[in-house]
Amino acid sequence: EAQVTQNPRYLITVTGKKLTVTCSQNMNHEYMSWYRQDPGLGLRQIYYSMNVEVTDKGDVPEGYKVSRKEKRNFPLILESPSPNQTSLYFCASSLTGGTKNIQYFGAGTRLSVL
Amino acid sequence: AQKVTQAQTEISVVEKEDVTLDCVYETRDTTYYLFWYKQPPSGELVFLIRRNSFDEQNEISGRYSWNFQKSTSSFNFTITASQVVDSAVYFCALSEADEAAGNKLTFGGGTRVLVKP
Repeated sequence: EAQVTQNPRYLITVTGKKLTVTCSQNMNHEYMSWYRQDPGLGLRQIYYSMNVEVTDKGDVPEGYKVSRKEKRNFPLILESPSPNQTSLYFCASSLTGGTKNIQYFGAGTRLSVL
Repeated sequence: AQKVTQAQTEISVVEKEDVTLDCVYETRDTTYYLFWYKQPPSGELVFLIRRNSFDEQNEISGRYSWNFQKSTSSFNFTITASQVVDSAVYFCALSEADEAAGNKLTFGGGTRVLVKP
């Protein structure tokens, strides 16, 4: 089954404790992206990757890191989480280029930073 | 900069009523894509439809229909004869067609639809 898999689904942590949210897709998509969803703001892009070893900042990259060492994986790293990073996070993937740009989303990771 | 506005934050209807969700967008690009996604209470995001800026044909798919009007920069979505299972948050989104810019989606704030039995 074609899917984007995020882990964990739920995470409660404390300020300053490094964490990683994993994302994996099995559709051989070049493009992967992370979004955060906050009430009233919709989803905003954090980082994206056009292909292996190619990453770039989205609209709200502060406090986040990513890496793309393999095509299928795109982990989101919070080196020193803070309470304002409490949010619902989504990973997405797609083929690249105009007509191929339908993004498919993972089930989401709900993060609480205390 | 791109912007998507969904002015309705929440709509409540009784089952079998029609419901129309408004979406207004801003972009300087002449070529772009518009999307609707559904987020049911379980939380995942489900792709519903994509339109490109050159295709203003309105579309009907079952109980769903979409009205794209470039002149007013609107891409509205109607659910006909709503059902309880339609209860969800619906997001309108915009993407540039420029391959160099990647496939970034700019989302509206979402409209929560509550269908009561």
